[in-house]
Amino acid sequence: DGGITQSPKYLFRKEGQNVTLSCEQNLNHDAMYWYRQDPGQGLRLIYYSQIVNDFQKGDIAEGYSVSREKKESFPLTVTSAQKNPTAFYLCASRMQAGLAGQETQYFGPGTRLLVL
Amino acid sequence: KQEVTQIPAALSVPEGENLVLNCSFTDSAIYNLQWFRQDPGKGLTSLLLIQSSQREQTSGRLNASLDKSSGRSTLYIAASQPGDSATYLCAVSVRSNTGKLIFGQGTTLQVKP
Repeated sequence: DGGITQSPKYLFRKEGQNVTLSCEQNLNHDAMYWYRQDPGQGLRLIYYSQIVNDFQKGDIAEGYSVSREKKESFPLTVTSAQKNPTAFYLCASRMQAGLAGQETQYFGPGTRLLVL
Repeated sequence: KQEVTQIPAALSVPEGENLVLNCSFTDSAIYNLQWFRQDPGKGLTSLLLIQSSQREQTSGRLNASLDKSSGRSTLYIAASQPGDSATYLCAVSVRSNTGKLIFGQGTTLQVKP
């Protein structure tokens, strides 16, 4: 059963704590993305990776970090430097097949992060 | 800087109505435009992708159009059903090899039985 999985579904963070959100895909996609969604707003890009061991900052990368050690996995760490982490986090992947005009992004079910 | 706007933010219609959702973007240099559906607390599901060279795409009761020159796209839903109730998001891809998407804020649709 192919797809993208995110865990956990809900995550609670204490002040000063770093937390890591998991994203795994078995679609054999090259590119992976992390988005943040706040109520009443669209998705905003945090980080993306087009190939293993390489990643780029998106529009709101401050306070976040990522790694891409395996093609299937793209974990996101929300650091203590992120002062307003409460949001819905979505991971996506895309087949890196030529131009972006030809391939859609596939999304995971999301992780809701709450601050205690 | 590319900006994507969706109007209205919310829409409520009786079952059976045909309806149109609007999306506008400020920079016409796009590679594609996509419409997604999001159910409450869930991820996004791709509905339609229109490449920059295309004018429209259809899937079942859904039809999406693209007018790059005016910076507009519409999503037409025919014979709406309660199961169509969800948030609909449009997004444009602005760079050739990164797949980066710029999203609108979404339109939340409620179809009443």
